[in-house]
Amino acid sequence: GAVVSQHPSWVICKSGTSVKIECRSLDFQATTMFWYRQFPKQSLMLMATSNEGSKATYEQGVEKDKFLINHASLTLSTLTVTSAHPEDSSFYICSAQRDLFTGELFFGEGSRLTVL
Amino acid sequence: GDSVTQMEGPVTLSEEAFLTINCTYTATGYPSLFWYVQYPGEGLQLLLKATKADDKGSNKGFEATYRKETTSFHLEKGSVQVSDSAVYFCALSYTGTASKLTFGTGTRLQVTL
Repeated sequence: GAVVSQHPSWVICKSGTSVKIECRSLDFQATTMFWYRQFPKQSLMLMATSNEGSKATYEQGVEKDKFLINHASLTLSTLTVTSAHPEDSSFYICSAQRDLFTGELFFGEGSRLTVL
Repeated sequence: GDSVTQMEGPVTLSEEAFLTINCTYTATGYPSLFWYVQYPGEGLQLLLKATKADDKGSNKGFEATYRKETTSFHLEKGSVQVSDSAVYFCALSYTGTASKLTFGTGTRLQVTL
């Protein structure tokens, strides 16, 4: 099946620093990728839709200046958490759509961010 | 707007018990329906899917049938194993376009010996 990989799988950083998380589709091209945030024992919250070659579309309530998304190629999207604070600590998950017909998404393994 | 409603967990079962996790949806169109599973410490994996009414998705002994008349997509398994312990998410999206998934809140399943 299709493979989506995230890196790093976990990261610890100091408050005020920036952290970049990469999402790669390893065996297919993804025009669109999605970034989700998952709080403990809760569902996934869609943060933004990342479109190759254009600006990301952010969901209501998500600070676009804080969560910078870049989709520079058909196989790579990045999420940068700028000036991170402890409340940004969370599990961030990306997904990519390979087959427009089925609407199925393939998910990365997630990146756990801890801000001290 | 579209929404997905799942039964609240956690669900605790003994090994070899029958499992049902209810899922109902509200949609403006004709979505595809999915069940995703998240094992501890891992990302989501597609468990099964159905793209149109009356389709039955099945995988690893799990199955779910797309019921348009009741707007439901209940997940079932005849005999659960300890290794099935995970969080299960029901979701929907639309075909033909790069479309976001709308998730239910997830149901945690704990299977004991």
